[in-house]
Amino acid sequence: DAGITQSPRHKVTETGTPVTLRCHQTENHRYMYWYRQDPGHGLRLIHYSYGVKDTDKGEVSDGYSVSRSKTEDFLLTLESATSSQTSVYFCATEEGSGNQPQHFGDGTRLSIL
Amino acid sequence: AQTVTQSQPEMSVQEAETVTLSCTYDTSENNYYLFWYKQPPSRQMILVIRQEAYKQQNATENRFSVNFQKAAKSFSLKISDSQLGDTAMYFCAFMKPFGGYQKVTFGIGTKLQVIP
Repeated sequence: DAGITQSPRHKVTETGTPVTLRCHQTENHRYMYWYRQDPGHGLRLIHYSYGVKDTDKGEVSDGYSVSRSKTEDFLLTLESATSSQTSVYFCATEEGSGNQPQHFGDGTRLSIL
Repeated sequence: AQTVTQSQPEMSVQEAETVTLSCTYDTSENNYYLFWYKQPPSRQMILVIRQEAYKQQNATENRFSVNFQKAAKSFSLKISDSQLGDTAMYFCAFMKPFGGYQKVTFGIGTKLQVIP
């Protein structure tokens, strides 16, 4: 597998607080993705990265920002968490050829009270 | 925009029996890939099987096989000799590559319960 580690695995926080989720990969994959998973919606893309400091928005990017200062790390930040951002967040990577399946981390369950 | 429809929210099957999960999609693209992912209670997303749209032959991985009907835009997953460890959510996914970037559209999932 792609050696993807997400941290934390679980987090509970309060509305209005900042939250940062981390994705770390050991396979030197060029592309990294952040998704959120909600019942009735499957997985939806928040942001993705195609290299160090190169990022772009997905379909549900409002309220989220990302950063990638190193190939192996992709951070997702909720500047001021809201209850609607309660979800399970997945990081995924792909080597960059475009035709291989994405590999996923184990997810972070985020609860915002 | 692509859409992926999984019309069976929940299914159950007896251990050792065969079950088929349905998936349909809508696209005007010709070059794309289709996947089935399994998500057990542990929450991992595990790739089950992959199909390239340009290949007519249906993909097979051990007990898992697909029935890919490109004209009908259908991509069903058949699980033979179901095992208790097959209990999971199953997601159908459509992937269109744009150079290196992949636009992936997921279905909402089918929850499969294997009954002893």
